This record gives sequence, structure tokens and C-alpha cells, in this order.
Amino acid sequence: DGGITQSPKYLFRKEGQNVTLSCEQNLNHDAMYWYRQDPGQGLRLIYYSQIVNDFQKGDIAEGYSVSREKKESFPLTVTSAQKNPTAFYLCASRMAGAGRSPLHFGNGTRLTVT
Amino acid sequence: SQQGEEDPQALSIQEGENATMNCSYKTSINNLQWYRQNSGRGLVHLILIRSNEREKHSGRLRVTLDTSKKSSSLLITASRAADTASYFCATDQSGNTPLVFGKGTRLSVIA
Repeated sequence: DGGITQSPKYLFRKEGQNVTLSCEQNLNHDAMYWYRQDPGQGLRLIYYSQIVNDFQKGDIAEGYSVSREKKESFPLTVTSAQKNPTAFYLCASRMAGAGRSPLHFGNGTRLTVT
Repeated sequence: SQQGEEDPQALSIQEGENATMNCSYKTSINNLQWYRQNSGRGLVHLILIRSNEREKHSGRLRVTLDTSKKSSSLLITASRAADTASYFCATDQSGNTPLVFGKGTRLSVIA
């Protein structure tokens, strides 16, 4: 079955540590996205990538970094510079250049930093 | 930047009733999409309506779009307890820009 896999589902870290969230897709989608969701809130865009080896900042990129070395993978690193990292992180993908295509989402990683 | 704003923030209805959620947005769009999110899960795409369409149906879902008022509505008919979830609208401004999501409506359907 094609889809997006995020791992792990739950992640706990101490303040000051960097942590990397995994996102893998086998849908052959060009574009991938990272969103952050806080309780009772909508989704806010962190980073996105339309093609391998290229990515753009979203609305809340500070304290985060990404890489896109392979089409299938778009890992997100939450650095110690992110002031409030505890949140639910969602990865998504869709066909690039097809502005009317829907997003496909993974089931998220819940990060807790103490 | 938050483009869409859903209304109401929360909605509680009895099973069998219809549920209507509204979405307003600020700038011109190519299309508007509705998504559903069960608690603790990823979002699932429900329906997409293009800027030149006024109404679209999919099963028990009916979506309308009024570009002059920059608003959309999602109607779920004959609701079921399994429809309990959060519903988000998302706007697509141009071909390759990311979708911009609203804050969502939390729907509770009571059996």
C-alpha cells in the first residue's frame, strides 16, 4: 500500500537536545511538507520541498532544519534553538506542479520536550 | 499565515442531524479543500472545489464556494457518531504554493 510513514509516533527529549523526525513516502510524490499542530490549533507550515535537494522555509521555520537528499525522504530536525518544540508534527506530500492535487498525510509524531 | 477561518470552532449535534461548517478566507484562490482529522491522527482529504465551481457533492458531503464572499461551507448530512472529528478547510492560492489551513471545527456527533 502506498502512503506516508512517520516515525516514531511518540518522542520524548530533554531540553537542549536536537531531535530528528522521520518522514518517508512511497507515493512517488515530488513535493513534501512539514506542518506543526498545537492543541486546538490549525496547521502551520514549517518547511516544504518541491524537488530533491531543494527546500523552502514556511511560516515558522526558525529552530528547525530539513534535508531532501532522496525523493522518498524528508526528515525534520528540531534543534535546541526552537523555543517551544512540544507539539504534534505532521508530514505530507503531493504531486508537484499539480496545484489541484490533495495532500496525503502521515499519522504524525507527537514530540514532548521537558 | 492563516488563510482560512472555520466557524464554528466547535459543534455538537445528535446522530442523524445535519452538520454545517463554514470557512472564510482572505485572498484569491485556485481551489479550496476540506480535510478531516480524527484525534491524534493525520489529516484525510475529503473534497476539493475549484474556484470556478459553486457546489460539489461526495456521498453525504456537500461543499459550496462563494468566491465573491470568499467563503465556503461543508455540509455533512445524516451525521453518524463516526463523523466525530475535526474538519479543516485549506486554500490553494496558486499551482505550487503550499496549502494554507484554517484552525478547524471540532464536530461531536452524539449517538
